[in-house]
Amino acid sequence: DIQMTQSPSSLSASVGDRVTITCQATQDISNYLNWYQLKPGKAPKLLIYDASDLEAGVPSRFSGSGSGTDFTFTISSLQPEDVATYYCQQYNDLYTFGQGTKLEIK
Amino acid sequence: QVQLQESGPGLVKPSQTLSLTCSVSRGSISISGYYWSWIRHHPGKGLEWIGYIYYTGSTFYNPSLQSRVTISVDTSKNQFSLNLRSVTAADTAVYYCARRGVAGAFHIWGQGTMVTVSS
Repeated sequence: DIQMTQSPSSLSASVGDRVTITCQATQDISNYLNWYQLKPGKAPKLLIYDASDLEAGVPSRFSGSGSGTDFTFTISSLQPEDVATYYCQQYNDLYTFGQGTKLEIK
Repeated sequence: QVQLQESGPGLVKPSQTLSLTCSVSRGSISISGYYWSWIRHHPGKGLEWIGYIYYTGSTFYNPSLQSRVTISVDTSKNQFSLNLRSVTAADTAVYYCARRGVAGAFHIWGQGTMVTVSS
């Protein structure tokens, strides 16, 4: 099984800050990596697919990069509405998710 | 934009069967290229993919759950369903239905429904 390790598990930042989350796979997954935003009581939202492609309608402050085993998710300028938990997900072999990064406003 | 909505009991007794339905609106379930999925989120833990079904009835399950899971589709009602047998407290989670596109991304999700396994 492919395991996904996300870090940090939680993060506190100020409005306007640049925020970075990393995700590491236990084996090469090429660019088969997606990023989601989860808020309590709301439908999860796909933000980035295929490591770096922005889902339609998602603000451009969200971006992703990486390939192979190491991936990065970035919010260029943190907004209050970005408070959520973020998950990476691989689909090279079945579908597995990272453990999540809880993002809060400082 | 297609919308998904989960429904079913919020409380299931241990050893019984958890049954949920996902209703698809503003679009047809019988469109090629999409896989109708179930995913769960254990409290305080990560997300777990359970399995998916194609509108033709073809299924693919997570091997860790395969012995207990059945996903079915009713195209006449534009719905698909999850049955998870012999549940234990470890199956307590928020259950989501989602649509997977031609890549491995889950582009559309329901809001989720909390299911607690307890006597």
